[in-house]
Amino acid sequence: KAGVTQTPRYLIKTRGQQVTLSCSPISGHRSVSWYQQTPGQGLQFLFEYFSETQRNKGNFPGRFSGRQFSNSRSEMNVSTLELGDSALYLCASSLGGFGPQETQYFGPGTRLLVL
Amino acid sequence: AQTVTQSQPEMSVQEAETVTLSCTYDTSESDYYLFWYKQPPSRQMILVIRQEAYKQQNATENRFSVNFQKAAKSFSLKISDSQLGDAAMYFCAYGTQGGSEKLVFGKGTKLTVNP
Repeated sequence: KAGVTQTPRYLIKTRGQQVTLSCSPISGHRSVSWYQQTPGQGLQFLFEYFSETQRNKGNFPGRFSGRQFSNSRSEMNVSTLELGDSALYLCASSLGGFGPQETQYFGPGTRLLVL
Repeated sequence: AQTVTQSQPEMSVQEAETVTLSCTYDTSESDYYLFWYKQPPSRQMILVIRQEAYKQQNATENRFSVNFQKAAKSFSLKISDSQLGDAAMYFCAYGTQGGSEKLVFGKGTKLTVNP
């Protein structure tokens, strides 16, 4: 099975711009989660989508948003970029569901640099 | 809110030796899941091992094993016969039960393996 893929892998933007990152989960996985990784804050949960619905949300401003499509692919969008948004954005997929937490499998990440 | 603490920012081990990475967590839940993830320089997060809190038996995966002490809220990772390829950042993560794939991560431990 193909792993989790993320596009693009690298991105350079300027302050005030917006950006959209894409994540394709492992085939059959219905849950997609997004994490932001920075040297200062470490790995922080952004949000999780399951069956096209946002099921959980971290403590990030409304500039961070996401969505999931019927094929489980997910996108996250950051509007009005700030310098502090520079980070590695990781996507993870799992089978999802409402029982025991499934193991999450991570993509290679998108490295975003805001100038 | 759940928190995960990794008190060792850096550790080093000689090749073929054994090393133990520490992790403590705080939660009021009785059912949960604990994970160790490895992040090599390529930045791809790789699952090392998973432990369900309701299981008393410590999880083992080849050279990797955990010491899960539920009452003490401790979850350490032991790497036996360390190999150069084990060099990476290791993250301890907490997952909750039921309908959420959110993970709470520790700050990580950087493991160096010396030849």
